[in-house]
Amino acid sequence: SQQGEEDPQALSIQEGENATMNCSYKTSINNLQWYRQNSGRGLVHLILIRSNEREKHSGRLRVTLDTSKKSSSLLITASRAADTASYFCATDAIGGATNKLIFGTGTLLAVQP
Amino acid sequence: GAVVSQHPSRVICKSGTSVKIECRSLDFQATTMFWYRQFPKKSLMLMATSNEGSKATYEQGVEKDKFLINHASLTLSTLTVTSAHPEDSSFYICSASIVNTEAFFGQGTRLTVV
Repeated sequence: SQQGEEDPQALSIQEGENATMNCSYKTSINNLQWYRQNSGRGLVHLILIRSNEREKHSGRLRVTLDTSKKSSSLLITASRAADTASYFCATDAIGGATNKLIFGTGTLLAVQP
Repeated sequence: GAVVSQHPSRVICKSGTSVKIECRSLDFQATTMFWYRQFPKKSLMLMATSNEGSKATYEQGVEKDKFLINHASLTLSTLTVTSAHPEDSSFYICSASIVNTEAFFGQGTRLTVV
C-alpha cells in the first residue's frame, strides 16, 4: 500500500496546549496537503506545502516538510476545543495526475476544555 | 476557493439496487476528478480517477463493474454503486482540482445498504 502513516493515531490534550502530528510517506512528491475532518463530515483543506518548501504557517498552524526523510509535521498552537477533529496528511506524488492524493492514516485529536 | 458539490449527502438503499452519486464542480472545469471511500474511523482510500471523455482509471482492488464511473462533462462525474450490498456501506467523497492549487472536496455521501 502507498498509504502514508501518521502518528500518533490519537492525541488528547487540554485547551491552550500545542498539538503536534507527524506524517510519513513513501514516494517522491509534488506537494503535501493537510486536511481536517469533523466526525462524519467532509474534508476541510488546511495547508498545502510544496516539495521545495520546508515550512509554512497559516494562523495557528505550522507545517514542516522534510523530503529527505519523507516526513511532515503539523503543529496546532494554543489549541481550542473546536480543533477537535481528525487530521489527515495527503501526498500528491510525482508522475501522478495533479491532486491524485494518497492519504495518511490520520490522527484523531481531542482537545479537552 | 472553488466549490465542489456532491449529491446526495445521505442515501439508504436496499440490497441489490444501484445508487448514483453525483460530483459537480460549480465554478470551474475539471478534466479530472477523483473518488475516495472511507470506512468508519479510517482514512480515505482512493478508488479511481475519473477522466472527462474517457474511461476511469481504477486503483488496484477496486471492482470497475461494481463502481461505475462516468465523467461526461467538464463539471460532472458520477459514481454508480451497482447491485449494492451491505458491505458497500461507506462514506464516498469526490474531489476535483485546478492546476497548482489544492484539491477541492465534495461534502461526501454516506451510503447505507440495508
